[in-house]
Amino acid sequence: RKEVEQDPGPFNVPEGATVAFNCTYSNSASQSFFWYRQDCRKEPKLLMSVYSSGNEDGRFTAQLNRASQYISLLIRDSKLSDSATYLCVVNLPGAGGTSYGKLTFGQGTILTVHP
Amino acid sequence: DVKVTQSSRYLVKRTGEKVFLECVQDMDHENMFWYRQDPGLGLRLIYFSYDVKMKEKGDIPEGYSVSREKKERFSLILESASTNQTSMYLCASINIPGSSTGELFFGEGSRLTVL
Repeated sequence: RKEVEQDPGPFNVPEGATVAFNCTYSNSASQSFFWYRQDCRKEPKLLMSVYSSGNEDGRFTAQLNRASQYISLLIRDSKLSDSATYLCVVNLPGAGGTSYGKLTFGQGTILTVHP
Repeated sequence: DVKVTQSSRYLVKRTGEKVFLECVQDMDHENMFWYRQDPGLGLRLIYFSYDVKMKEKGDIPEGYSVSREKKERFSLILESASTNQTSMYLCASINIPGSSTGELFFGEGSRLTVL
């Protein structure tokens, strides 16, 4: 089983739609969780961290469910500019308990927002 | 602005050649990472380093080695390149371990083709 797995996608939605992505992780010792965005032919960039109580940033809402070991990303009122690949990232402790020992990515979910 | 610079954007090498991929960051980050990205597989961690001369294997270290002689520089070495190492290689660094932001800063990537 992969350590981090995402919805296979791709997702094709009209402008204004609400879309949600899920991501599951296998290691219960995972410490931190993030969503990254990657535009075509560009490097990934941090979209938002995921906090235990859930958090919101404008149209984006991230949630964490430790009991079921998954995180989610909800995008409301989709824009054309939201078209990208969304990557789930999980931080596992490394040797000696270093906080950022191993940042593991999911395979990514492609989102296309069309007019 | 944080800058992560990878020495080569595009490389073409022959099977059996030794390949060096260099990465330099200018923000005194502790941790540095090498990933490779392939279609449908997402980013996979090859090696990471949490201090000078310290390194730890990621998920796919076979066929690779790394060097971190100075804090700002993290090199990926392919001792004997093979065609299955044709890929996009991404270097990243992260701010202070323990920080809650978890923001990885990526270089622009090095696209390696092994013939």
